[in-house]
Amino acid sequence: GDSVTQMEGPVTLSEEAFLTINCTYTATGYPSLFWYVQYPGEGLQLLLKATKADDKGSNKGFEATYRKETTSFHLEKGSVQVSDSAVYLCALSDWGSARQLTFGSGTQLTVLP
Amino acid sequence: ETGVTQSPTHLIKTRGQQVTLRCSSQSGHNTVSWYQQALGQGPQFIFQYYREEENGRGNFPPRFSGLQFPNYSSELNVNALELDDSALYLCASSSGQDQYEQYFGPGTRLTVT
Repeated sequence: GDSVTQMEGPVTLSEEAFLTINCTYTATGYPSLFWYVQYPGEGLQLLLKATKADDKGSNKGFEATYRKETTSFHLEKGSVQVSDSAVYLCALSDWGSARQLTFGSGTQLTVLP
Repeated sequence: ETGVTQSPTHLIKTRGQQVTLRCSSQSGHNTVSWYQQALGQGPQFIFQYYREEENGRGNFPPRFSGLQFPNYSSELNVNALELDDSALYLCASSSGQDQYEQYFGPGTRLTVT
């Protein structure tokens, strides 16, 4: 079945550092790929998405490119802020009728001032 | 536009009891999905309802059941609670025309003792 693997956390960075969170996936078809962010005590918020190979999703300075050849969707940001501290979850959606989301285990990011 | 809401926020139950969690979907959305998120893990798909019918189910036992009402709000029922059912239960809504983009509520934290 479908699966998503994220780099193990937690990740601690200083403000203005470069961020990469690795995500790879396994799927039988051509899934859509997502990054969600989860702040403490809140639900998941969609950060960015890509629906086909070579698409780049971007939002709030975060970017991720759908790489079919390496089955990856790594999240990057050039300069993180303290307010970016949260849990980041990579997910895919298959093309079945339910379009259910399959999530990775999440990566806790802490940004220090 | 009202977002996805869930009730209650927190709940404590005893092993063997039954629980009902509630979700109101975002205005204009006719599809509701439920996810279970154990501590430190990514959410796991439980099931989805589309226009009051179950439209897909994850690997959860039959004691997890649901309903969707004509106004597209939804309930998740769990019978014979087990300690491992302790988790954050997330509801997500989407529109039939754009099912892959799901909008999440803040979740219900269930503790089973």
